[in-house]
Amino acid sequence: DIQMTQSPSTLSASVGDRVTITCRASQSFYTWLAWYQQKPGGVPKLLILKGSVLESGVPSRFSGSGSGTEFTLTISSLQPDDFATYYCQHYSSGSPHTFGQGTKLEIK
Amino acid sequence: EVQLVQSGAEVKKSGESLSISCKASGYDFRYFWIGWVRQMPGKGLEWMGITYPDDSEIRYSPSFQGQVTISADKSITTAYLHWSSLKPSDTAIYYCVRQDGGSSYRHWGQGTLVTVSS
Repeated sequence: DIQMTQSPSTLSASVGDRVTITCRASQSFYTWLAWYQQKPGGVPKLLILKGSVLESGVPSRFSGSGSGTEFTLTISSLQPDDFATYYCQHYSSGSPHTFGQGTKLEIK
Repeated sequence: EVQLVQSGAEVKKSGESLSISCKASGYDFRYFWIGWVRQMPGKGLEWMGITYPDDSEIRYSPSFQGQVTISADKSITTAYLHWSSLKPSDTAIYYCVRQDGGSSYRHWGQGTLVTVSS
């Protein structure tokens, strides 16, 4: 089964910063990777699908890239609303759709 | 509009059985994978498994295989998560999720909090 390792687990940043979160897979797969945002007490929200496709309604400051075993989520200029926890998830067929362990984005 | 409406919070004792439900609407229930994600208190998301209502195929995460039962009743467009014997470690929020045609999980239920005491 494919395991997903996210880094860092916690990230401290300021409004306006550019931040990158990395997700590494134990096996290579096509771009069957999604990124989700979860705010405290809230339901996870899909941000990016297929590695780099921005979900409808998600601000363009969010972007995804990567393929194979390494994927990244970048927020180009942090806004106050972006402080949350972010998860990657692969959804390739034939393997459980494992989530990464999450990255908590905190205000510095 | 796709909607996944989950049953309400549950408080149970260790050893009891439980089923929670997820009522789907706004799409053809038979043809989309639907399943469950666990979130233990203060922890991350864990994919438990999914089912395809049209033919009842089920795919479990190895971590949850044998621990829970996932099912769906296409006649009432409802998915279920069942425990035959709860443990305190089952205390968590459980989210119902719908997979988009072999893709990601755009649609989530509101979550059901299950609390199990010893």
